[in-house]
Amino acid sequence: SQTIHQWPATLVQPVGSPLSLECTVEGTSNPNLYWYRQAAGRGLQLLFYSVGIGQISSEVPQNLSASRPQDRQFILSSKKLLLSDSGFYLCAWSVPQSEQYFGPGTRLTVT
Amino acid sequence: AQSVTQPDIHITVSEGASLELRCNYSYGATPYLFWYVQSPGQGLQLLLKYFSGDTLVQGIKGFEAEFKRSQSSFNLRKPSVHWSDAAEYFCAVGRFTSGTYKYIFGTGTRLKVLA
Repeated sequence: SQTIHQWPATLVQPVGSPLSLECTVEGTSNPNLYWYRQAAGRGLQLLFYSVGIGQISSEVPQNLSASRPQDRQFILSSKKLLLSDSGFYLCAWSVPQSEQYFGPGTRLTVT
Repeated sequence: AQSVTQPDIHITVSEGASLELRCNYSYGATPYLFWYVQSPGQGLQLLLKYFSGDTLVQGIKGFEAEFKRSQSSFNLRKPSVHWSDAAEYFCAVGRFTSGTYKYIFGTGTRLKVLA
C-alpha cells in the first residue's frame, strides 16, 4: 500500500533562517505531488504541485520554492523565513486523474 | 471563478444524533467533489468522493454525501454521530488541469460531539 511521510513533524525557526521540509511517498511510481499550507482558521491553500521530476508549478507568489529531485520526493524550501510563513504544511500525492492523499503535516512556527 | 463554501464554521451535536454538514460550490463544469476529515494536528483523510454516476455516495466511517446539481451542493451526512467523529471537515472541488487535479477547499466545519 502507499504511504506518505513528512518531516520534521514540528519546527521552530527564527525569522530570516532557511527552511527545508521533506515529503516522500512509498508504494507508487510517478505520483503527482502537492504542497499546501493551512493557516489557523482557514482552509488549505495550494502552494506548489508537480507532475514529474523537475516539473514544478507554483500557484501563488511567495517566499517559498519547491523541488522534486527524485520521483517520490518533494521538498519545500525557503532562503529566508518570514513571520507570515508560519502554518501547517501538508504534502499530498495522487495518481493522475484521481483523488489526493495527504501526509501527516509539518507545524512550522517562525519566531 | 471556482469557489467552495462551508457556511457552518462550528457545529455541535450530541452523540447518537444525526449530522449534516453543508457544502456549496461554484463551478462551471461537472464538478469532482470530495469530503476530507482532519483530526487536530493531523493530515487530511479522504471520507468520500464524487466523480459521476449515482448522486448518493457512500464513504468510510458511516458517512454519505449527496450531490445535488440544481442546488450546487454536496452535503455530508451521518445518521448517528460517535464521539470519535469530533474533528474538522473539509469539502473540496477538484478541477482537472495541466495533468492533475487542483483542489479548491472550503474553510472547514469544526464538529464538536457532546457525550
